[in-house]
Amino acid sequence: QKEVEQNSGPLSVPEGAIASLNCTYSDRGSQSFFWYRQYSGKSPELIMSIYSNGDKEDGRFTAQLNKASQYVSLLIRDSQPSDSATYLCAVNMMDSSYKLIFGSGTRLLVRP
Amino acid sequence: DGGITQSPKYLFRKEGQNVTLSCEQNLNHDAMYWYRQDPGQGLRLIYYSQIVNDFQKGDIAEGYSVSREKKESFPLTVTSAQKNPTAFYLCASDLDTGELFFGEGSRLTVL
Repeated sequence: QKEVEQNSGPLSVPEGAIASLNCTYSDRGSQSFFWYRQYSGKSPELIMSIYSNGDKEDGRFTAQLNKASQYVSLLIRDSQPSDSATYLCAVNMMDSSYKLIFGSGTRLLVRP
Repeated sequence: DGGITQSPKYLFRKEGQNVTLSCEQNLNHDAMYWYRQDPGQGLRLIYYSQIVNDFQKGDIAEGYSVSREKKESFPLTVTSAQKNPTAFYLCASDLDTGELFFGEGSRLTVL
């Protein structure tokens, strides 16, 4: 079964620290990788997409992809209490261009 | 403003009833999706549609039905055959890239 795995957390970091969220996936042929943020009781919103090995930076967010090791991570620099949310990793599996597989999410708590 | 509108936000269903959740988008996206989310879980795909008048089953389609008569609309019916329908239902759309735009969701509770 194709899977995307995340530590459920909560991951607790102090304000201003770097939060590191990790995700592993089982399908070696996966090509597209996404991070969605979901506040409690709300719908997810896309914050990062990454398609190639290496790092992709967008403001305080950096996505890192290592296809050989089958993991993707999200770093949040200068974490703010407003970053407290659940972060969902999603992977586009090789056998379906139209179907994302979501992890169960990591809950992040940023302490003031 | 472009976006996805889901209604109703909250819905209560009695045993044996069918209910329909509405999803409308004005983003001009071809692809639309319905996901289900249970507490502490990720999203599971119910149905998706890439073009008008065509749709495909996702991983948990049993007990659900959809239609796609217009590009803008993708309603989901939760039938009485769905044994455990209490969940948060999310409609999304995209340009077949995986970069999904979500509606605000519909929370269904079975009484």
